[in-house]
Amino acid sequence: GAGVSQSPSNKVTEKGKDVELRCDPISGHTALYWYRQSLGQGLEFLIYFQGNSAPDKSGLPSDRFSAERTGGSVSTLTIQRTQQEDSAVYLCASSLERNQPQHFGDGTRLSIL
Amino acid sequence: SQQGEEDPQALSIQEGENATMNCSYKTSINNLQWYRQNSGRGLVHLILIRSNEREKHSGRLRVTLDTSKKSSSLLITASRAADTASYFCATGSNNAGNMLTFGGGTRLMVKP
Repeated sequence: GAGVSQSPSNKVTEKGKDVELRCDPISGHTALYWYRQSLGQGLEFLIYFQGNSAPDKSGLPSDRFSAERTGGSVSTLTIQRTQQEDSAVYLCASSLERNQPQHFGDGTRLSIL
Repeated sequence: SQQGEEDPQALSIQEGENATMNCSYKTSINNLQWYRQNSGRGLVHLILIRSNEREKHSGRLRVTLDTSKKSSSLLITASRAADTASYFCATGSNNAGNMLTFGGGTRLMVKP
């Protein structure tokens, strides 16, 4: 597709379960970002991938959070043993290079019961 | 801590009026970007202004950057109800690693 695609659009799960969120970036974009947005708030940076370089994981809030980017394209964000405070919208973005305009998906709204 | 802080947090105006949103930041930057977010959607890039630029226009949008004051403003002229959204500034800096740093946003409501 032409834009960044994220799935699922909504996810409701019980506390303690693991969840996987998927992001398909724009073809050819070497940079991929994950953000978290709580209700009515700004964006909290989580992790950044650039080409084949080691990812910048400096924003991950705990070791329950991890992310992969396979083949320089699709990325999955995994949250293990989910907690209620993990409830938020998780946004993925891609760009041609870092610090350049980012193109966002519509996010995954995660609700932890 | 957030690099960019928008002001005001919320703004309500009538259709046809101009809307001005401000953004302040703390450290040196390479560029500053403005994004728009409609409810339940992702962010959409509006405009990028580089640190050596002072003003930039795109349609009804006008962005200014004052690096001496570490501030930027976004002006939307002749606003429309469809401009209702949240607007975020984001700063790009070599000192901030690999990511843009987003502010908390201004929620704009344009009443028809």
